[in-house]
Amino acid sequence: DVQLVESGGGLVQSGESLRLSCTVSDFNFNNHGLSWVRQAPGKGLEWVSGISSSGGSTYYADSVRGRFFISRDNSENTLYLQMNSLGPEDTAVYFCARSPDAYNHYYFDYWGQGTLVTVSS
Amino acid sequence: QSALTQPASVSGYPGQSITISCTGVSSDVGAYNYVSWYQQHPGKAPKLMIYDVTNRPSGVSNRFSGSRSGNTASLTISGLQAQDEADYYCRSYTSRNTLVFGGGTKLTVL
Repeated sequence: DVQLVESGGGLVQSGESLRLSCTVSDFNFNNHGLSWVRQAPGKGLEWVSGISSSGGSTYYADSVRGRFFISRDNSENTLYLQMNSLGPEDTAVYFCARSPDAYNHYYFDYWGQGTLVTVSS
Repeated sequence: QSALTQPASVSGYPGQSITISCTGVSSDVGAYNYVSWYQQHPGKAPKLMIYDVTNRPSGVSNRFSGSRSGNTASLTISGLQAQDEADYYCRSYTSRNTLVFGGGTKLTVL
C-alpha cells in the first residue's frame, strides 16, 4: 500500500526557516501530483502548495506565496517544502497528500500522518 | 482565495440522515467536477470519502453520498452511526489552478 511519512517539523523562532520532507513508498511516485496541506491547532484544513508529477509546475496559496517553495526528487521518492520567513500564523500540523493525477486537480487519495511546526514569537 | 462555506456543525440521531453543504463560486465548485469530501477524526489524517462530486472510493460505506447543485456541493450520510462522528471537509479545484478547502463541519451523533 502507498505510505507517506513527513519529517522535519519542530520549534523555530519567528523569521527563521525550516524544510519539511515527505518520503513516499510508491512504485509509481513519478506519476502523481503531490501537495502540502496544513492544519493550525483547532482549525480547519488549508491547502498550502502543490507540485506536478514532473516537478515542472508548482502552485501556492496566497498566504505562503513568495515565502514557501515546494520541490520533489523523483529519484528519491521525496517531496519537500522549504519554509522561509516563518511567523506564528504558520504554526500547524503539515500533511503531505498524493493526488491520483499528475497535476493535483482530482482529489487526495493518500495522506501522511503529519508533522508539527511551531513558530514562536 | 476564500475558503468554501460549510456549516460549523450538524447533528443527528443514530439511524437518521444528515446533509452537509459546501458553497463556493462559479470558478470553483460550480466549474469543475473536482469536488471531494474528507472525514477527519481527532488527531488523525483526513480520509477520502467522496471524489469527483458523486463517486465513492472502494471501502467507503454506501451510506455516504455526494451531489451538487450550481455552486453548492453536498455530502449526505444516511443511517447515522456513532463512528460517523468526526469533522468533514469539502475540497475543490479552482480556475486559478489552486485548491481550496471548506472551513469544516463538526458532525455530532446524538
